[in-house]
Amino acid sequence: GAVVSQHPSWVICKSGTSVKIECRSLDFQATTMFWYRQFPKQSLMLMATSNEGSKATYEQGVEKDKFLINHASLTLSTLTVTSAHPEDSSFYICSARDSGGAETQYFGPGTRLLVL
Amino acid sequence: GQNIDQPTEMTATEGAIVQINCTYQTSGFNGLFWYQQHAGEAPTFLSYNVLDGLEEKGRFSSFLSRSKGYSYLLLKELQMKDSASYLCAVMDSNYQLIWGAGTKLIIKP
Repeated sequence: GAVVSQHPSWVICKSGTSVKIECRSLDFQATTMFWYRQFPKQSLMLMATSNEGSKATYEQGVEKDKFLINHASLTLSTLTVTSAHPEDSSFYICSARDSGGAETQYFGPGTRLLVL
Repeated sequence: GQNIDQPTEMTATEGAIVQINCTYQTSGFNGLFWYQQHAGEAPTFLSYNVLDGLEEKGRFSSFLSRSKGYSYLLLKELQMKDSASYLCAVMDSNYQLIWGAGTKLIIKP
């Protein structure tokens, strides 16, 4: 199946710093990528939809200035958590939709963020 | 509004069969997905149904009835490694995925 990578897999940072997470589709092109957040024992929560070459679409309640998304190519989207605070600690997961195939979303392995 | 319902938790015995149901009400329909998510890991794709009927893939099968807004995931010959959460998701008319809360499946020896 299609492979999506995420980097880093783990990050610990101090409050107030910014953290950048990369999501790459390795063997297919993805016009659309998605960013999710998941707190322990809770459902996936869609944060934003990232479209290559255009601005991301954010879900209600998600601050676009805090969670910066850039989708500069058909295989790479980045999420930057700016001025991170402890409440931003979570499991961040990206997914990519294969532009040339079915509408299936393939997930990256996720990034665990811990803000101290 | 849009809604996906699936049981919160199910328990089954190793070697047995379990059926996880999912009912949905969405604005439009462009397919239904099942994902498996082990604790602490990202979801992995299991199946995609867009037409009515049963899709079989090894020990896992997925069924869809669009007229009833209903799907199920059938797991046969259960193994301990099948203990995970199973997520039902429907793609609506805008090609957005609407997620269920997931069903936590516990397998007992």
